[in-house]
Amino acid sequence: EAGVTQFPSHSVIEKGQTVTLRCDPISGHDNLYWYRRVMGKEIKFLLHFVKESKQDESGMPNNRFLAERTGGTYSTLKVQPAELEDSGVYFCASSPLAGGPKLETQYFGPGTRLLVL
Amino acid sequence: AQKITQTQPGMFVQEKEAVTLDCTYDTSDPSYGLFWYKQPSSGEMIFLIYQGSYDQQNATEGRYSLNFQKARKSANLVISASQLGDSAMYFCAMREVSHTGNQFYFGTGTSLTVIP
Repeated sequence: EAGVTQFPSHSVIEKGQTVTLRCDPISGHDNLYWYRRVMGKEIKFLLHFVKESKQDESGMPNNRFLAERTGGTYSTLKVQPAELEDSGVYFCASSPLAGGPKLETQYFGPGTRLLVL
Repeated sequence: AQKITQTQPGMFVQEKEAVTLDCTYDTSDPSYGLFWYKQPSSGEMIFLIYQGSYDQQNATEGRYSLNFQKARKSANLVISASQLGDSAMYFCAMREVSHTGNQFYFGTGTSLTVIP
């Protein structure tokens, strides 16, 4: 079974440009999450989709970030315009909808390393 | 306040020895889950082990075990018989059941180096 995939693996852009990150979750996983790790700090939650709906976007830093999940399959995260402080590793994770009290494990992709110059 | 604290930025262990990576957490939610992930240099985040707050026994998965001390709010990862391939970054994470979202809270990670 294929895991979570992310594209691109690396991106180097200049301040003010636009970048779009893509995440393909594990097939059948309705939950999709975006996280970000800035150098040396903890991984922080950005937002959560259930199918195509945004369940929680409390971690989105500002309105320069736009996430979509058309059709409830893959998701994109667009940063426009990018700023220096947006540099970091962007992780995507997915999980199935939990059918009981057990907390479902989130499976992570390899991340996209974004560097804004 | 930090939900997850990992106080060891870097650790070294001799090959074949056991090592404990520390993790403490902060929550008032009676129901929560604790997770450990491994991130090798290739970048992917690999799920290692899960412990539920109501689980009576410590979780084990092969050479990984979780030393869960609920009263102390600690969930240390123990790796037995370390191998060179265990060299990686290790993250502790928590999710609270009653929280309206599903987000994980992560620590800053511990970089483990296994010495031959």
